[in-house]
Amino acid sequence: DSGVTQTPKHLITATGQRVTLRCSPRSGDLSVYWYQQSLDQGLQFLIQYYNGEERAKGNILERFSAQQFPDLHSELNLSSLELGDSALYFCASSPRENTEAFFGQGTRLTVV
Amino acid sequence: AQSVTQLGSHVSVSEGALVLLRCNYSSSVPPYLFWYVQYPNQGLQLLLKYTTGATLVKGINGFEAEFKKSETSFHLTKPSAHMSDAAEYFCAVSQLSGYSTLTFGKGTMLLVSP
Repeated sequence: DSGVTQTPKHLITATGQRVTLRCSPRSGDLSVYWYQQSLDQGLQFLIQYYNGEERAKGNILERFSAQQFPDLHSELNLSSLELGDSALYFCASSPRENTEAFFGQGTRLTVV
Repeated sequence: AQSVTQLGSHVSVSEGALVLLRCNYSSSVPPYLFWYVQYPNQGLQLLLKYTTGATLVKGINGFEAEFKKSETSFHLTKPSAHMSDAAEYFCAVSQLSGYSTLTFGKGTMLLVSP
């Protein structure tokens, strides 16, 4: 158990819908990362927050947004969902920037 | 900018054979280097990391990796493969100084046959 908690574990929704994925980082970790993993794209970095501030953006679509709250938990919002958004979404946390990240078990999103 | 290249999307070995998974990185500043393992339907788990100091790094499950600056490599090895080592392995790079995020390679699937 990495100490990073992601909910829900599985999510099935229809095209056009909006979903929110939640991440609770390890106790004391200030940095939160979001990644998308699919068979065709591999592991793609989406976005990083550090102590509530956005620090880096990767291949995140405009339909996707995220935030980190004062209690350091983070949410990833996915809207206008398409079939191609079906993937595993991972959250990871680290105590500081530049150090190793600890991954949650992921949320498997299926868009039908 | 930084990047990671993992040679070979799939590597097959027999049980008991040497495991060698290749990773080359690109970084304009001294790197932090990591290897992660992902078992089916699970998150990524840190195997080992290199920050500074000794270039041969030992990790969990008998894996080790050697940082070779001149070759910009950080290959992962294990002397004797076990069936339980079958998984996907990811190499990642960050930066020792300044700010950077964690950049992953595309992963190498290790297949172990009896």
